[in-house]
Amino acid sequence: DGGITQSPKYLFRKEGQNVTLSCEQNLNHDAMYWYRQDPGQGLRLIYYSQIVNDFQKGDIAEGYSVSREKKESFPLTVTSAQKNPTAFYLCATQDPGTGYYGYTFGSGTRLTVV
Amino acid sequence: EDQVTQSPEALRLQEGESSSLNCSYTVSGLRGLFWYRQDPGKGPEFLFTLYSAGEEKEKERLKATLTKKESFLHITAPKPEDSATYLCAVQEAGANNLFFGTGTRLTVIP
Repeated sequence: DGGITQSPKYLFRKEGQNVTLSCEQNLNHDAMYWYRQDPGQGLRLIYYSQIVNDFQKGDIAEGYSVSREKKESFPLTVTSAQKNPTAFYLCATQDPGTGYYGYTFGSGTRLTVV
Repeated sequence: EDQVTQSPEALRLQEGESSSLNCSYTVSGLRGLFWYRQDPGKGPEFLFTLYSAGEEKEKERLKATLTKKESFLHITAPKPEDSATYLCAVQEAGANNLFFGTGTRLTVIP
């Protein structure tokens, strides 16, 4: 059963702590994206990767880092430099090689600073 | 500048009361417009893709239409289970990523 798995579903971070959000897919899609969702705001792009070992900054990359060592995995690290990390984080995949650019989304991770 | 604007922000309907949600966009060249449904605490779920003005797509009580400047999501005789946030996103020519609106939160009252 193909899909995207985000974990954990809920994550609590202390001040000054780095945390990593997991995103794993078995759809064999080349492109992967990380978005942040805040109440009253649209989804904002953090980082994206079109291919393994390559990734690009989105509109709000400051305080975040990513890696893409495998096609299936695109973890997002929220560093202590991100001053307002409390949000709902969504991972998405895309298969542009088919000519279709719609996203498939994971179920999200809710990050809260305590 | 806003590329995608959705209205209204929130909409309350009685069960069976039809209405429309609006998504207006400003991009230099539209490659595709996407509608998603999002339930609280979950990831968005794909509904429709529209590519050119005049195109229409339907799924159960939902119908999406597209003009050169906006898209409408028409909801006919809604039921309480249609309550959700509906997101619109556009893909600009030359870009692979999507730009999202802030969504319309729909509540259908029994």
